[in-house]
Amino acid sequence: GNSVTQMEGPVTLSEEAFLTINCTYTATGYPSLFWYVQYPGEGLQLLLKATKADDKGSNKGFEATYRKETTSFHLEKGSVQVSDSAVYFCALRAQGQGGKLIFGQGTELSVKP
Amino acid sequence: DSGVTQTPKHLITATGQRVTLRCSPRSGDLSVYWYQQSLDQGLQFLIQYYNGEERAKGNILERFSAQQFPDLHSELNLSSLELGDSALYFCASSVGGERGYTFGSGTRLTVV
Repeated sequence: GNSVTQMEGPVTLSEEAFLTINCTYTATGYPSLFWYVQYPGEGLQLLLKATKADDKGSNKGFEATYRKETTSFHLEKGSVQVSDSAVYFCALRAQGQGGKLIFGQGTELSVKP
Repeated sequence: DSGVTQTPKHLITATGQRVTLRCSPRSGDLSVYWYQQSLDQGLQFLIQYYNGEERAKGNILERFSAQQFPDLHSELNLSSLELGDSALYFCASSVGGERGYTFGSGTRLTVV
C-alpha cells in the first residue's frame, strides 16, 4: 500500500545550521507530495508541494525536490531560525485516491539560539 | 486564522459517552476531511465529504460517523468512547482538485 517514511526526531540544531529532513515514499503511479508544518498548539500548515517528478517546491527558505528515481522528497533549508522549531510532516496524495493524504510520522525540529 | 473553524477546542468526557465535533470549512471549499492525530498512530485519515456526499473512507471505526450539511459544515460523531479514542481530531477543507488542504486548529478529545 501507499506509505510515507520520515526520519525520526527530535532533530536539534543551532541557529543558522543547515537542515535536512529525509522523506521517502511508497506509492503506485505518480503521487503528489507535500510538506506540512505544525507549530505548538496549532493545526497543520502547508509548507510546500510538488506534483510531478523533478518538481521543486519552495517556500520561506525551505525547499524539496520530487525524486521519482529514489522515491524521495527531502526537506532542506540552508539556515534555520529559532522560529522554525515545529513538527514537520511529509505527506502524499496518491493518484485516484481523491484528496486523501497519507502522512509520515512527523519529525520534531528544535532550533537553539 | 486559517479560515477553517473547529469547535470545541477541548473536550473531556467519560468512557461510554458520545460527543460531536464540529467543523466549518473555509469559504468556498466544498471538501471536508477528518483526521485523527494520536501519539501511537500518527495522523490517520478518517473520512472525506464533498458537497454533502461521502467521498472516501479511511480508518474510521464503526463507532464513529460523520456528515456534511447543506451549508457545508461537517460534524464528526464519536460514540461509545474508549480511552484509546483520546486524540487530536483535525478537520481540513479544500476547494478540490490538485491542491493542498487548509487545516483547522483541531479538537483535543480526552476520554477519562
